[in-house]
Amino acid sequence: GEQVEQRPPHLSVREGDSAFITCTYTDPNSYYFFWYKQEPGASLQLLMKVFSSTEINEGQGFTVLLNKKDKRLSLNLTAAHPGDSAAYFCAVSAGNNNRIFFGDGTQLVVKP
Amino acid sequence: EAAVTQSPRNKVTVTGGNVTLSCRQTNSHNYMYWYRQDTGHGLRLIHYSYGAGNLQIGDVPDGYKATRTTQEDFFLLLELASPSQTSLYFCASSVRGKTNERLFFGHGTKLSVL
Repeated sequence: GEQVEQRPPHLSVREGDSAFITCTYTDPNSYYFFWYKQEPGASLQLLMKVFSSTEINEGQGFTVLLNKKDKRLSLNLTAAHPGDSAAYFCAVSAGNNNRIFFGDGTQLVVKP
Repeated sequence: EAAVTQSPRNKVTVTGGNVTLSCRQTNSHNYMYWYRQDTGHGLRLIHYSYGAGNLQIGDVPDGYKATRTTQEDFFLLLELASPSQTSLYFCASSVRGKTNERLFFGHGTKLSVL
């Protein structure tokens, strides 16, 4: 089945720097990709949903890159601020078996 | 925004204890899920359901039972809790259970089995 590897598990950056998180997946049929953000003590909230047809997706203060050839999904938080401190999870789905596979998460700390 | 409410927020029990975790969603979603979150393992699916009375086995079901009593309510049962079940448990829901849908998560239940 699908395996999703997320790196790094922990990331500390200074305010204003970029934070880069990557997930690699194994199933070439994967079609839907998600990034969730989990603030301390809170539930996971959807950051962005990406379809396989779009390689670059821009959100507010971040960019999601999809490289289907390398089976890699990336989240780049540009000019990070302390409010971005949270755990980030990628999720990947393929096929019709109702399965969504999560990465292990990245704990991001943005220091003032 | 869809609301998913879990209770309790924290629970401590002893090995062999009986635990029930509750989840309620009030958005008429068909699918509900129970995940556990452990360091180094991300979120792993325990059980899920597509409607009242239905139960589907997830990826890590051993030691867990679940029951969907109504459209809104989904319970996770640990009848003989073990320390390996110490974890953070999330309930989630989605409208149709399609893999292109976002999941709506509860705030989580932290369970400690001593």
